[in-house]
Amino acid sequence: DQQVKQNSPSLSVQEGRISILNCDYTNSMFDYFLWYKKYPAEGPTFLISISSIKDKNEDGRFTVFLNKSAKHLSLHIVPSQPGDSAVYFCAASNIQGAQKLVFGQGTRLTINP
Amino acid sequence: DTEVTQTPKHLVMGMTNKKSLKCEQHMGHRAMYWYKQKAKKPPELMFVYSYEKLSINESVPSRFSPECPNSSLLNLHLHALQPEDSALYLCASSQGAGYTEAFFGQGTRLTVV
Repeated sequence: DQQVKQNSPSLSVQEGRISILNCDYTNSMFDYFLWYKKYPAEGPTFLISISSIKDKNEDGRFTVFLNKSAKHLSLHIVPSQPGDSAVYFCAASNIQGAQKLVFGQGTRLTINP
Repeated sequence: DTEVTQTPKHLVMGMTNKKSLKCEQHMGHRAMYWYKQKAKKPPELMFVYSYEKLSINESVPSRFSPECPNSSLLNLHLHALQPEDSALYLCASSQGAGYTEAFFGQGTRLTVV
């Protein structure tokens, strides 16, 4: 049972435009969500997080939106840059198992010049 | 210092060998983790140490044996592995329990022959 789903395995965006990566979850106990970025042969790098008491969190070019009723979150990157090309993982946890992150399958983002 | 350092980067071992993976962080984090990532799959949690005590074991086979000698070090001892155990093994750390983001190392690429 996949509790965190990223239904788009890949996404291609032109440089300078907005990249939108989506993530859905099924476990209503999840109340903390994170986005990680991963380059080949490297470990995941933390990007941004959001608690369920918020619906938006912004950090520079990255914004995460949370829609609890739809059990959906999204990561917006604007403007997209070539260095943003990587695999992006959505992850979730809950207060009872706060140390346990459940990851989605990942979305490979390619930024085209 | 915001790094999690893993050694070795690559390891090839036979099914009868005994080897160890090492992980080190100097961020004062009190939670450390082992994740396993197969190709084109998300990272999957194996073990969590919190304040140097094993707090989560995700039903990992006993051929994987974790050890936390002190708050900065985490080892994963490997014995009698199978070829299907070949994967990227990721170490991570976080400040502690609660909604804190985990910082990942670069991983050890393990091949069992």
